[in-house]
Amino acid sequence: DADVTQTPRNRITKTGKRIMLECSQTKGHDRMYWYRQDPGLGLRLIYYSFDVKDINKGEISDGYSVSRQAQAKFSLSLESAIPNQTALYFCATSDSGWGNQPQHFGDGTRLSIL
Amino acid sequence: LAKTTQPISMDSYEGQEVNITCSHNNIATNDYITWYQQFPSQGPRFIIQGYKTKVTNEVASLFIPADRKSSTLSLPRVSLSDTAVYYCLVGRNYGGSQGNLIFGKGTKLSVKP
Repeated sequence: DADVTQTPRNRITKTGKRIMLECSQTKGHDRMYWYRQDPGLGLRLIYYSFDVKDINKGEISDGYSVSRQAQAKFSLSLESAIPNQTALYFCATSDSGWGNQPQHFGDGTRLSIL
Repeated sequence: LAKTTQPISMDSYEGQEVNITCSHNNIATNDYITWYQQFPSQGPRFIIQGYKTKVTNEVASLFIPADRKSSTLSLPRVSLSDTAVYYCLVGRNYGGSQGNLIFGKGTKLSVKP
């Protein structure tokens, strides 16, 4: 979904480095999410934010932190990267309407930690 | 949090109808059922969503029985390009349930010529 942009698309780095993955959206959605996906597995929720002042931990938040700089921007940081954080990372957004609003995903960031 | 159970994998041939069933025995009254499709190295893409009975769009149909404890995604006349992983999610935006954010491992559909 071109309305959800992730940067960088690929990153190779070393153990112990600090890394930031960025996500920006032009959909005007209030809600933003970070997931990781490991080979052969589904997506696991890391953090989510329902508005600029709201941050929530997901299933696997240990070792990660996030910042919601604006409605359109949500970044994920790995303070001290370790090899088992090697994965494909996805950012997603959704509207905040009643019922359930589907998520819209970016194209992902492939992160390799050596 | 409504837990979902779906088959790990399914095989089909081009031109056939494929039905993927998802079990969600503890679905809450206000939960919705949402299906996503994911191709390799791409983010999931919304396919269809429903609350009860039947929903149809240009891509798929979703059948939900009266007790809502399961749902079936139906893909008519599949092609090779329908080879993907399909996820069933159950939840709602408000009221404490975040099941609509939990993807699980999904069902890997392989369509053969």
